[in-house]
Amino acid sequence: DGGITQSPKYLFRKEGQNVTLSCEQNLNHDAMYWYRQDPGQGLRLIYYSQIVNDFQKGDIAEGYSVSREKKESFPLTVTSAQKNPTAFYLCASSIGSGFETQYFGPGTRLLVL
Amino acid sequence: AQSVSQHNHHVILSEAASLELGCNYSYGGTVNLFWYVQYPGQHLQLLLKYFSGDPLVKGIKGFEAEFIKSKFSFNLRKPSVQWSDTAEYFCAVNGRSSNDYKLSFGAGTTVTVRA
Repeated sequence: DGGITQSPKYLFRKEGQNVTLSCEQNLNHDAMYWYRQDPGQGLRLIYYSQIVNDFQKGDIAEGYSVSREKKESFPLTVTSAQKNPTAFYLCASSIGSGFETQYFGPGTRLLVL
Repeated sequence: AQSVSQHNHHVILSEAASLELGCNYSYGGTVNLFWYVQYPGQHLQLLLKYFSGDPLVKGIKGFEAEFIKSKFSFNLRKPSVQWSDTAEYFCAVNGRSSNDYKLSFGAGTTVTVRA
């Protein structure tokens, strides 16, 4: 079954702690994305990667970091520098260019304890 | 930088009523336009998209959208809604430059259909 998986579904973070959200796709897509969804604000782009070992900052990259060591994986780390991390995080992928549809995973909800 | 504006935050209507959700964008060049839908408890999924050609685009579940270039608009319509259309709807746009992967989303419109 092809698709995008994100884990965990819910994640709790303590103050000062870094946490990593997983995103895996088996669609053989080159491009992958991380978005943050807050009520009334839609989706905002955090980071994106067009190809393995390359990634670019989106509109709200501060306090986040990513890696792209494998085509199918694009983990997002929410660092302690992110002062307002509580949100719903969505991972997406697309075949390649901006002409292509982005497909989304089920999301991870991050809560701060 | 591109931006997307959705006019309505929350729309409530009865089954069989007609639905129109407004979307306007700002961008200096040629764009690709999308409508995504997020049903309760489900993934965000593509409803329809416009890249080029006929400005009236038909999508899944009886939805359609019309691209009006002069108005920078891409409004979503459905002639007769069902209870199952209750969802959050997002308009999105990206610029059609050679390496522009960034998809900008509107704030979303929550649609509640009453049985």
